[in-house]
Amino acid sequence: QKEVEQDPGPLSVPEGAIVSLNCTYSNSAFQYFMWYRQYSRKGPELLMYTYSSGNKEDGRFTAQVDKSSKYISLFIRDSQPSDSATYLCAMSETTSGTYKYIFGTGTRLKVLA
Amino acid sequence: DAGITQSPRYKITETGRQVTLMCHQTWSHSYMFWYRQDLGHGLRLIYYSAAADITDKGEVPDGYVVSRSKTENFPLTLESATRSQTSVYFCASSESTLLAVTGELFFGEGSRLTVL
Repeated sequence: QKEVEQDPGPLSVPEGAIVSLNCTYSNSAFQYFMWYRQYSRKGPELLMYTYSSGNKEDGRFTAQVDKSSKYISLFIRDSQPSDSATYLCAMSETTSGTYKYIFGTGTRLKVLA
Repeated sequence: DAGITQSPRYKITETGRQVTLMCHQTWSHSYMFWYRQDLGHGLRLIYYSAAADITDKGEVPDGYVVSRSKTENFPLTLESATRSQTSVYFCASSESTLLAVTGELFFGEGSRLTVL
């Protein structure tokens, strides 16, 4: 079983829709939760960063972490064609004494104009 | 320009050949990383480095060698390329703080390698 599971999609939605992207994980030691956005043939870029449980909002984007369920989400409101990209969740922890920063496989999102 | 640059962006080689992918960053970040990205596997860590002359294995290190003689450079060498090493390789760096392992990773644009 992978430590981080993410539905690969693809996910197609009409412009203006609310998008929900999700990841589940198995390692309860993860403390930091990130969402990266990756455009085609580009490197990933950090979109949202959350520590522990709770919500974080940044413009049209909201990141949600539920550590009790080992589940994280990214919501995109009023989605735009420019949001079309692959979204990767990532998680990290430092308690094990070694570097651990794990990515999900990514969800491809297409927002249709 | 400031940032992280990778070269070459595209490379085709043959099985058994040695290939070196270059990575250069201008931020003086302490941490640098090499990931490979494959369909169905996502980004997997190959090697990372906490500082010059300090490197450590990641999840998939076999068949790869790294070095870090200077803070700004972190080359990745495939000593004898195999077809299973056909992938997109990303170099990344992170700021040198106590929380460096949890902070933002800055990625290059990737090196697309095909091994025939």
